Amino acid sequence: DADVTQTPRNRITKTGKRIMLECSQTKGHDRMYWYRQDPGLGLQLIYYSFDVKDINKGEISDGYSVSRQAQAKFSLSLESAIPNQTALYFCATSEGGGAGIGEQFFGPGTRLTVL
Amino acid sequence: AQSVSQHNHHVILSEAASLELGCNYSYGGTVNLFWYVQYPGQHLQLLLKYFSGDPLVKGIKGFEAEFIKSKFSFNLRKPSVQWSDTAEYFCAVTSGTNDYKLSFGAGTTVTVRA
Repeated sequence: DADVTQTPRNRITKTGKRIMLECSQTKGHDRMYWYRQDPGLGLQLIYYSFDVKDINKGEISDGYSVSRQAQAKFSLSLESAIPNQTALYFCATSEGGGAGIGEQFFGPGTRLTVL
Repeated sequence: AQSVSQHNHHVILSEAASLELGCNYSYGGTVNLFWYVQYPGQHLQLLLKYFSGDPLVKGIKGFEAEFIKSKFSFNLRKPSVQWSDTAEYFCAVTSGTNDYKLSFGAGTTVTVRA
């Protein structure tokens, strides 16, 4: 299922470097999300966007920023990476409302390691 | 704030055994409930969902879940597991007023031994 794609799939970087993770979708959904997954913690919401002009902070937005370049593209940036940002990052999309509210579709994930 | 609890961190069982994974949530209003599965090295996939109606929901790959409103629970079951069911399972909830916000449990790792 290539409806939601993420690049890169794996990245190793050093403390202090700026990193951008990209997400693209072909599902035509308005809503897009960035999560990080840490062992034993499930997924935590970093940022979400309801449309190109509507971007909101999630539970753990500190140290991250995002850009919604188009309906289909949502990028996550780490301005100055630190080791505790080592995690698996997922992008997700969902419809804007009506039936299917809450159901999200996930990309394959980006494994980021900060040394 | 709503929260989701999954009672088992790691479950190990043999093929053909029955599986039940517990999930409880804290929100008292209208909820939408989901179980997602993450196979090794893969992204999250939806197993099943509950929005309204019959509280017994059937999903893919022989899984089902039962919504018990009085117990704030949405437990996942499968009568007979296969080795290919080895994965991590996540319960997730959205509430009626925050339908975008998918709150996840910590996940349960299921290992099925052949």
